[in-house]
Amino acid sequence: QKEVEQNSGPLSVPEGAIASLNCTYSDRGSQSFFWYRQYSGKSPELIMSIYSNGDKEDGRFTAQLNKASQYVSLLIRDSQPSDSATYLCAVNPIKAAGNKLTFGGGTRVLVKP
Amino acid sequence: GAVVSQHPSRVICKSGTSVKIECRSLDFQATTMFWYRQFPKQSLMLMATSNEGSKATYEQGVEKDKFLINHASLTLSTLTVTSAHPEDSSFYICSASGDVTDTQYFGPGTRLTVL
Repeated sequence: QKEVEQNSGPLSVPEGAIASLNCTYSDRGSQSFFWYRQYSGKSPELIMSIYSNGDKEDGRFTAQLNKASQYVSLLIRDSQPSDSATYLCAVNPIKAAGNKLTFGGGTRVLVKP
Repeated sequence: GAVVSQHPSRVICKSGTSVKIECRSLDFQATTMFWYRQFPKQSLMLMATSNEGSKATYEQGVEKDKFLINHASLTLSTLTVTSAHPEDSSFYICSASGDVTDTQYFGPGTRLTVL
Protein backbone atom coordinates (compact mmCIF):
# COMPACT_ATOMS: atom_id res chain seq x y z
CA GLN A 1 0.00 0.00 0.00
CA LYS A 2 1.35 3.41 -0.97
CA GLU A 3 1.74 5.90 1.86
CA VAL A 4 -0.30 8.56 0.07
CA GLU A 5 -2.71 7.54 -2.66
CA GLN A 6 -4.52 9.59 -5.24
CA ASN A 7 -6.50 8.68 -8.30
CA SER A 8 -4.29 9.64 -11.23
CA GLY A 9 -7.23 10.77 -13.36
CA PRO A 10 -7.72 12.55 -15.60
CA LEU A 11 -10.72 14.03 -13.83
CA SER A 12 -12.73 15.79 -16.48
CA VAL A 13 -14.94 18.59 -15.21
CA PRO A 14 -17.18 21.02 -17.12
CA GLU A 15 -16.41 24.68 -16.63
CA GLY A 16 -18.35 26.06 -13.68
CA ALA A 17 -18.79 22.69 -11.99
CA ILE A 18 -17.24 21.42 -8.77
CA ALA A 19 -14.11 19.28 -9.00
CA SER A 20 -13.70 16.82 -6.13
CA LEU A 21 -10.29 15.29 -5.47
CA ASN A 22 -9.55 12.64 -2.87
CA CYS A 23 -6.42 11.49 -1.12
CA THR A 24 -5.90 8.71 1.40
CA TYR A 25 -2.89 8.15 3.61
CA SER A 26 -1.58 5.23 5.59
CA ASP A 27 0.17 6.79 8.60
CA ARG A 28 -2.57 7.30 11.19
CA GLY A 29 -0.35 9.64 13.21
CA SER A 30 0.05 12.18 10.39
CA GLN A 31 -0.60 15.72 11.51
CA SER A 32 -0.11 18.02 8.54
CA PHE A 33 -1.72 17.88 5.13
CA PHE A 34 -1.18 19.97 2.03
CA TRP A 35 -2.58 20.44 -1.43
CA TYR A 36 -0.32 21.67 -4.21
CA ARG A 37 -1.13 22.51 -7.81
CA GLN A 38 1.38 21.78 -10.55
CA TYR A 39 0.97 23.02 -14.09
CA SER A 40 2.70 21.07 -16.82
CA GLY A 41 6.39 21.94 -16.93
CA LYS A 42 6.21 24.06 -13.76
CA SER A 43 6.99 23.46 -10.11
CA PRO A 44 4.30 22.82 -7.48
CA GLU A 45 2.60 25.76 -5.84
CA LEU A 46 0.86 25.60 -2.49
CA ILE A 47 -2.92 25.83 -2.54
CA MET A 48 -3.59 25.25 1.13
CA SER A 49 -2.66 23.39 4.25
CA ILE A 50 -4.98 21.75 6.78
CA TYR A 51 -4.19 20.41 10.21
CA SER A 52 -7.55 19.84 11.97
CA ASN A 53 -10.54 17.69 11.14
CA GLY A 54 -13.24 19.45 9.20
CA ASP A 55 -13.35 21.93 6.37
CA LYS A 56 -11.06 24.80 5.50
CA GLU A 57 -12.05 27.25 2.81
CA ASP A 58 -9.87 29.60 0.79
CA GLY A 59 -11.58 31.29 -2.12
CA ARG A 60 -12.88 28.66 -4.51
CA PHE A 61 -10.96 25.90 -2.75
CA THR A 62 -12.13 23.84 0.22
CA ALA A 63 -9.96 21.24 1.90
CA GLN A 64 -11.62 18.57 4.01
CA LEU A 65 -9.80 16.40 6.53
CA ASN A 66 -11.03 13.27 8.26
CA LYS A 67 -8.26 11.77 10.36
CA ALA A 68 -10.39 8.86 11.58
CA SER A 69 -10.93 7.72 8.00
CA GLN A 70 -7.46 8.84 6.94
CA TYR A 71 -8.50 10.90 3.98
CA VAL A 72 -8.17 14.46 2.86
CA SER A 73 -10.05 15.96 -0.05
CA LEU A 74 -10.02 19.12 -2.11
CA LEU A 75 -13.05 20.74 -3.69
CA ILE A 76 -12.67 23.29 -6.44
CA ARG A 77 -15.84 25.30 -6.92
CA ASP A 78 -16.74 27.10 -10.14
CA SER A 79 -13.95 25.29 -11.98
CA GLN A 80 -12.18 27.29 -14.65
CA PRO A 81 -10.03 26.14 -17.58
CA SER A 82 -7.08 27.69 -15.75
CA ASP A 83 -7.61 25.11 -12.99
CA SER A 84 -6.50 22.38 -15.41
CA ALA A 85 -3.40 21.01 -13.74
CA THR A 86 -2.12 18.15 -11.63
CA TYR A 87 -3.06 18.38 -7.97
CA LEU A 88 -0.68 16.86 -5.45
CA CYS A 89 -1.67 15.74 -1.99
CA ALA A 90 1.17 15.82 0.54
CA VAL A 91 1.30 14.49 4.09
CA ASN A 92 3.81 14.97 6.89
CA PRO A 93 3.87 11.53 8.53
CA ILE A 94 4.61 11.50 12.23
CA LYS A 95 7.50 9.15 11.62
CA ALA A 96 9.21 11.47 9.16
CA ALA A 97 12.23 13.43 10.24
CA GLY A 98 12.00 17.18 10.08
CA ASN A 99 9.46 18.63 7.69
CA LYS A 100 9.76 15.91 5.07
CA LEU A 101 6.56 15.42 3.12
CA THR A 102 5.24 12.33 1.42
CA PHE A 103 3.54 13.13 -1.87
CA GLY A 104 0.82 11.28 -3.68
CA GLY A 105 1.20 10.66 -7.39
CA GLY A 106 -1.17 13.49 -8.23
CA THR A 107 -4.57 13.78 -9.86
CA ARG A 108 -4.74 15.38 -13.28
CA VAL A 109 -7.74 17.68 -13.66
CA LEU A 110 -9.08 18.83 -17.01
CA VAL A 111 -11.65 21.62 -17.00
CA LYS A 112 -13.48 21.76 -20.30
CA PRO A 113 -15.02 25.03 -21.50
CA GLY B 1 5.59 36.03 1.44
CA ALA B 2 7.37 32.64 1.32
CA VAL B 3 9.15 33.12 -1.97
CA VAL B 4 11.81 30.68 -3.11
CA SER B 5 14.01 31.34 -6.12
CA GLN B 6 16.20 29.04 -8.15
CA HIS B 7 19.02 29.80 -10.51
CA PRO B 8 19.51 29.02 -13.30
CA SER B 9 16.04 28.22 -14.64
CA ARG B 10 17.48 26.28 -17.52
CA VAL B 11 20.93 24.87 -18.24
CA ILE B 12 22.41 22.86 -21.07
CA CYS B 13 25.80 21.28 -20.54
CA LYS B 14 28.10 18.73 -22.06
CA SER B 15 28.47 15.24 -20.65
CA GLY B 16 31.15 15.07 -17.99
CA THR B 17 30.82 18.64 -16.76
CA SER B 18 29.46 19.77 -13.40
CA VAL B 19 26.47 22.00 -12.90
CA LYS B 20 25.58 24.03 -9.82
CA ILE B 21 22.00 25.01 -9.00
CA GLU B 22 21.20 27.62 -6.36
CA CYS B 23 18.08 27.73 -4.22
CA ARG B 24 17.30 30.81 -2.15
CA SER B 25 14.54 31.66 0.29
CA LEU B 26 13.95 35.36 -0.32
CA ASP B 27 11.73 36.43 2.56
CA PHE B 28 12.11 33.84 5.29
CA GLN B 29 14.77 31.77 6.97
CA ALA B 30 14.76 28.22 5.69
CA THR B 31 15.94 25.85 8.36
CA THR B 32 15.36 22.95 6.01
CA MET B 33 15.66 22.75 2.25
CA PHE B 34 14.72 19.86 0.04
CA TRP B 35 15.86 18.83 -3.41
CA TYR B 36 13.55 16.96 -5.76
CA ARG B 37 13.89 15.60 -9.25
CA GLN B 38 11.02 15.07 -11.66
CA PHE B 39 11.15 13.24 -14.96
CA PRO B 40 8.48 13.98 -17.61
CA LYS B 41 5.02 12.74 -16.64
CA GLN B 42 6.34 11.26 -13.40
CA SER B 43 5.92 12.13 -9.74
CA LEU B 44 8.22 14.28 -7.67
CA MET B 45 11.10 12.28 -6.28
CA LEU B 46 12.82 13.54 -3.14
CA MET B 47 16.58 13.38 -3.51
CA ALA B 48 17.82 14.84 -0.24
CA THR B 49 17.03 16.96 2.77
CA SER B 50 19.43 19.57 4.03
CA ASN B 51 19.53 21.55 7.25
CA GLU B 52 21.58 24.69 7.61
CA GLY B 53 25.09 23.89 8.74
CA SER B 54 24.63 20.11 8.60
CA LYS B 55 25.36 17.40 6.09
CA ALA B 56 22.50 16.55 3.79
CA THR B 57 20.47 13.41 4.26
CA TYR B 58 20.10 11.55 0.98
CA GLU B 59 17.25 9.28 0.00
CA GLN B 60 17.95 5.68 -0.78
CA GLY B 61 19.43 5.23 -4.22
CA VAL B 62 20.67 8.82 -4.57
CA GLU B 63 24.45 9.04 -4.93
CA LYS B 64 25.75 11.60 -2.49
CA ASP B 65 29.07 11.91 -4.31
CA LYS B 66 27.31 12.73 -7.54
CA PHE B 67 24.74 15.15 -6.14
CA LEU B 68 26.60 17.44 -3.77
CA ILE B 69 24.41 19.54 -1.52
CA ASN B 70 25.53 22.49 0.56
CA HIS B 71 23.29 24.47 2.90
CA ALA B 72 25.67 27.13 4.11
CA SER B 73 23.14 29.67 5.32
CA LEU B 74 19.50 29.96 6.31
CA THR B 75 18.65 31.37 2.89
CA LEU B 76 20.84 29.43 0.46
CA SER B 77 21.29 25.83 -0.56
CA THR B 78 23.15 24.57 -3.61
CA LEU B 79 22.97 21.33 -5.55
CA THR B 80 25.94 20.41 -7.71
CA VAL B 81 25.50 17.65 -10.25
CA THR B 82 29.03 16.34 -10.77
CA SER B 83 30.17 14.68 -13.98
CA ALA B 84 26.72 14.99 -15.48
CA HIS B 85 25.49 12.44 -17.99
CA PRO B 86 22.48 12.45 -20.31
CA GLU B 87 20.51 10.31 -17.85
CA ASP B 88 20.82 13.17 -15.32
CA SER B 89 18.72 15.36 -17.60
CA SER B 90 15.65 16.22 -15.57
CA PHE B 91 13.69 18.96 -13.82
CA TYR B 92 15.33 19.76 -10.48
CA ILE B 93 13.17 21.53 -7.92
CA CYS B 94 14.08 22.80 -4.49
CA SER B 95 11.74 23.62 -1.65
CA ALA B 96 12.25 25.39 1.63
CA SER B 97 10.65 25.13 5.02
CA GLY B 98 11.00 27.43 7.98
CA ASP B 99 10.79 26.99 11.72
CA VAL B 100 7.18 27.91 12.36
CA THR B 101 5.31 25.44 10.16
CA ASP B 102 6.20 22.38 8.14
CA THR B 103 4.91 23.91 4.94
CA GLN B 104 7.26 23.51 2.00
CA TYR B 105 7.47 26.33 -0.52
CA PHE B 106 8.83 25.37 -3.90
CA GLY B 107 11.24 27.17 -6.16
CA PRO B 108 10.42 27.48 -9.86
CA GLY B 109 12.73 24.61 -10.82
CA THR B 110 15.78 24.16 -13.01
CA ARG B 111 15.58 22.22 -16.22
CA LEU B 112 18.87 20.44 -16.85
CA THR B 113 19.75 19.03 -20.24
CA VAL B 114 22.99 17.07 -20.57
CA LEU B 115 24.17 16.54 -24.13
